[in-house]
Amino acid sequence: DTGVSQDPRHKITKRGQNVTFRCDPISEHNRLYWYRQTLGQGPEFLTYFQNEAQLEKSRLLSDRFSAERPKGSFSTLEIQRTEQGDSAMYLCASSLVMGNEQFFGPGTRLTVL
Amino acid sequence: AQSVTQLDSQVPVFEEAPVELRCNYSSSVSVYLFWYVQYPNQGLQLLLKYLSGSTLVKGINGFEAEFNKSQTSFHLRKPSVHISDTAEYFCAGGSYQLTFGKGTKLSVIP
Repeated sequence: DTGVSQDPRHKITKRGQNVTFRCDPISEHNRLYWYRQTLGQGPEFLTYFQNEAQLEKSRLLSDRFSAERPKGSFSTLEIQRTEQGDSAMYLCASSLVMGNEQFFGPGTRLTVL
Repeated sequence: AQSVTQLDSQVPVFEEAPVELRCNYSSSVSVYLFWYVQYPNQGLQLLLKYLSGSTLVKGINGFEAEFNKSQTSFHLRKPSVHISDTAEYFCAGGSYQLTFGKGTKLSVIP
């Protein structure tokens, strides 16, 4: 069990550029979650997948954000036309079933200049 | 709306003293409750969870929490803190979509 991994750990980009983050969950976990954490706040739910199906999206997930989990394994989160307000830590988590422990990755810290 | 409230943003405590970090949840939050710890520049690590059953839950690193349905609280306690407990602690509730509190920064003073 290597845990949840995320890549890259840090990303600095200019406003208006597109960025993509990757998350590799724990291999047997069928649920995968994305959260966003800004400075001084707790994580906020963005979206989650069960296998390859995206089952829920938060209102925080504007149309510039898109997430995929094409084969029910790794997931990507893309932000198009980044804005300074997108600067945050993006956390990925995975779990076996609802209500059970979500295991978090180390996060990707995005800085939009 | 679902909400989880952590009543203290910062808690300083001397080493080897007891500590309590307070958390209240709204009744609309699914009664699956969690405490996570976050060290600087790292992800979150689960300390303990309440899904059902006994209202006193024991976790890792000597932490425990008590689920109180009448007071809608889930306070985290440790009888004797160590320097290494210095971190930020988050209370969360929910089944799949976790709702987090804003966090409590615990500072252990030597």
